[in-house]
Amino acid sequence: EPEVTQTPSHQVTQMGQEVILRCVPISNHLYFYWYRQILGQKVEFLVSFYNNEISEKSEIFDDQFSVERPDGSNFTLKIRSTKLEDSAMYFCASRKRFATGDRINYGYTFGSGTRLTVV
Amino acid sequence: SQQGEEDPQALSIQEGENATMNCSYKTSINNLQWYRQNSGRGLVHLILIRSNEREKHSGRLRVTLDTSKKSSSLLITASRAADTASYFCATWGLTGGGNKLTFGTGTQLKVEL
Repeated sequence: EPEVTQTPSHQVTQMGQEVILRCVPISNHLYFYWYRQILGQKVEFLVSFYNNEISEKSEIFDDQFSVERPDGSNFTLKIRSTKLEDSAMYFCASRKRFATGDRINYGYTFGSGTRLTVV
Repeated sequence: SQQGEEDPQALSIQEGENATMNCSYKTSINNLQWYRQNSGRGLVHLILIRSNEREKHSGRLRVTLDTSKKSSSLLITASRAADTASYFCATWGLTGGGNKLTFGTGTQLKVEL
């Protein structure tokens, strides 16, 4: 079964440092997402990406965050200057496109996450 | 209440019993999905029910959707210890929700031997 792959599985970084979280979505998927989950809390939407641009972003996704799909396979989330409160599990997800009127809806496929710890 | 709230927050049952989790939401939806998360791990898609469907089955899972009440339930029959995990409902918005999945607060299920 195709998988969404995330690397690294765990990253520890100093406050103020830049981090890049990497994801390889499923190859025939067209919509890509980043979510995060602070320990013990709900899964929160960060950003969606389609056709090489951000289609929607949440209030969490401020100027410190950016996403890129640099080479057609990788999908990255960059945090420019990490804060303690950025410590969380970050999940990448992808899904197929369904056209208007398509009677099939697809669930998202999530990666296993990157646990980011900011110290 | 927030979009996608599950109850109960925690559920403890014996192996072999059925587990029922409920989810309520606020806005119009295109579909509702249930995900499972083992402790510290990723989210696994379990089942999707469209807004024009009322019930769906997949193996030991049964999902219902009542759009008039803006609620859904997930039933796991004949539970096993391996079903121990957190279960989240997530709504995919028709309008206003945009192109994103919004997760609920989750139910922690513990199945004891």
